Amino acid sequence: DAGVTQSPTHLIKTRGQQVTLRCSPISGHKSVSWYQQVLGQGPQFIFQYYEKEERGRGNFPDRFSARQFPNYSSELNVNALLLGDSALYLCASSLGQLNQPQHFGDGTRLSIL
Amino acid sequence: QQQVKQSPQSLIVQKGGISIINCAYENTAFDYFPWYQQFPGKGPALLIAIRPDVSEKKEGRFTISFNKSAKQFSLHIMDSQPGDSATYFCAAMGGTGTASKLTFGTGTRLQVTL
Repeated sequence: DAGVTQSPTHLIKTRGQQVTLRCSPISGHKSVSWYQQVLGQGPQFIFQYYEKEERGRGNFPDRFSARQFPNYSSELNVNALLLGDSALYLCASSLGQLNQPQHFGDGTRLSIL
Repeated sequence: QQQVKQSPQSLIVQKGGISIINCAYENTAFDYFPWYQQFPGKGPALLIAIRPDVSEKKEGRFTISFNKSAKQFSLHIMDSQPGDSATYFCAAMGGTGTASKLTFGTGTRLQVTL
C-alpha cells in the first residue's frame, strides 16, 4: 500500500512569492495534518483537517492556509514567503480525527532565496 | 504547558549496546506518546507508541517505558545496530480542543558505531 505522498519534493522560491504544496494521504485515512520542520528541530504543527474541515491550527501567521478535498488529499498554501519559511514541510495522515497514529510523508523541502 | 523535553541531544552507542532516550512532558491531558525515527532526507517514521494505561510496551528491539506519575517516558533500543543510526523524536498528543496535534521533542541524534 502506498504511504503518504507529497509533491513536489523540493522547491526553490524567492521572498514575496507564494507556494502550494500537495499531499495525498494513505488510502482510507480521512485526516491530514501539516507540520513545519526547521533544520535541527522537531516538527511544529500547522493545521489539521478532517472530513474537509479545519480542526486545528498551530501558531502560524495567516499567510499559511490549507484545504482538504473530497478525496481527502490536501494542499498547503503559503503567501508572501519570508526567508524564515525555509523548512521541510511534512504531511501526516491518520484514520480519524482524535488521537490516532499519524503517518508522515517524506516532505517538501522549501528553500527561500 | 505544551512542551515535551527530550534528552540527550546526541548519543553514541557501540554496536550491540543499549540506547536510551528520555522525554518528559508537562500537560497531563496528553494520552498518546509515539516515538518517531527519521533518516536524513526522509519524513519521520512511526516506530512505537504507548498510551498511559500501560507502563511498558515492547516491539522487537524497541521498548517504551512510561512513568505517569513522573510524567516521563523513554525509548530503549536493545542490541543497537549501525542501521539504527538516525534522529529519534518523542512526541505527545491529546488534550483539549478538536484537533489531534503532535507536540514533538527536540530530537536525539543516535550514532551506533561498529
